[in-house]
Amino acid sequence: GIQVEQSPPDLILQEGANSTLRCNFSDSVNNLQWFHQNPWGQLINLFYIPSGTKQNGRLSATTVATERYSLLYISSSQTTDSGVYFCAVGEGTTSGTYKYIFGTGTRLKVLA
Amino acid sequence: SQTIHQWPATLVQPVGSPLSLECTVEGTSNPNLYWYRQAAGRGLQLLFYSVGIGQISSEVPQNLSASRPQDRQFILSSKKLLLSDSGFYLCAWRLSGRSDEQYFGPGTRLTVT
Repeated sequence: GIQVEQSPPDLILQEGANSTLRCNFSDSVNNLQWFHQNPWGQLINLFYIPSGTKQNGRLSATTVATERYSLLYISSSQTTDSGVYFCAVGEGTTSGTYKYIFGTGTRLKVLA
Repeated sequence: SQTIHQWPATLVQPVGSPLSLECTVEGTSNPNLYWYRQAAGRGLQLLFYSVGIGQISSEVPQNLSASRPQDRQFILSSKKLLLSDSGFYLCAWRLSGRSDEQYFGPGTRLTVT
């Protein structure tokens, strides 16, 4: 199956700093999502981005499918950005759906 | 709009007791449904997924089972819990054929003592 690796595993930032999180995957994909898990455990959808670039406020993401990686950019970080960021890759199944493989996550802490 | 519910939110159960966690989706029909487990400080592990009533695919053979008795209901069960079953259990849905995104419920935090 597809392997998904994320880096760095941990990141500490001062409020206002920028950061880049990386997701590498071992095979070609046509389904990739980024999530933020808040301190209460809720998984929040950030981007569905199998290829190309998307932006949403201070967050943006880029996936280069041919080179098997995706990047999540956080600009002007705020304390509310703290939590764990996951990349998930969808792998097609014989039943016509996707099953999702998650990376191990990047734990971000933003200091005031 | 679609909403996904999970209950209970937290659960403390003794070793050897049975388990039943429920997940329901509102505002859609024929969703693909998923159960994940997250151990403390770890990533998400896919346990089961379902494309329709009575159709269950298992990803990890273990002490758990899943059932889908109704279109928008997904149940995770165990006959006898083990200490290693402790974790955060998340249900997710995807609208088959319309969207490739999955959306997560609030989760159930299970502690086996």
